[in-house]
Amino acid sequence: AQSVTQLDSQVPVFEEAPVELRCNYSSSVSVYLFWYVQYPNQGLQLLLKYLSGSTLVKGINGFEAEFNKSQTSFHLRKPSVHISDTAEYFCAVSGTGGGNKLTFGTGTQLKVEL
Amino acid sequence: DAGITQSPRYKITETGRQVTLMCHQTWSHSYMFWYRQDLGHGLRLIYYSAAADITDKGEVPDGYVVSRSKTENFPLTLESATRSQTSVYFCASSDGGGKSRGYTFGSGTRLTVV
Repeated sequence: AQSVTQLDSQVPVFEEAPVELRCNYSSSVSVYLFWYVQYPNQGLQLLLKYLSGSTLVKGINGFEAEFNKSQTSFHLRKPSVHISDTAEYFCAVSGTGGGNKLTFGTGTQLKVEL
Repeated sequence: DAGITQSPRYKITETGRQVTLMCHQTWSHSYMFWYRQDLGHGLRLIYYSAAADITDKGEVPDGYVVSRSKTENFPLTLESATRSQTSVYFCASSDGGGKSRGYTFGSGTRLTVV
């Protein structure tokens, strides 16, 4: 079984500042990792995913994340945030075997302020 | 337009009543999932299905029933609703194969049990 920890429940940041949302996972098997974004009153939308290959993954809206196997982390970053990035962000993990079930973290609310 | 649709978007029901939440996808994805989203818990898996007529329990299945007679539909039934089942429910689908992984989510159903 896998688990995900998102230590920061809320992250306030000023517009045009950089941001990092932290995600750590636990698993006894190889993993796939994902970041999703949820805007108010909407479903979740895939931001980016790590399946294999390069550990630096680029996603939509200028976000990127780096897979660090030794630290079991998959932190999400953006060099300059915009007001429209205000949303809740979820990190998720699945094993690489069959079943395709995702385990989600508890989410980080990113609030971008002027 | 192809997609994954959930109905109703909002539902208020009384304790003890049976209620069914509907989920329909048009991609013929093999995998479908039901999650509930609660503050402080993120998304927790209720049930999932790998194909028509194949379903399995997730993390929090008690009080819920699912069926999947057709690939495109995956209804979730609360047999006797309780206040603890007040939540936002998300349906998701995935083709489950190879490099795609990840889920596509519906817009959610906000259920209030009074």
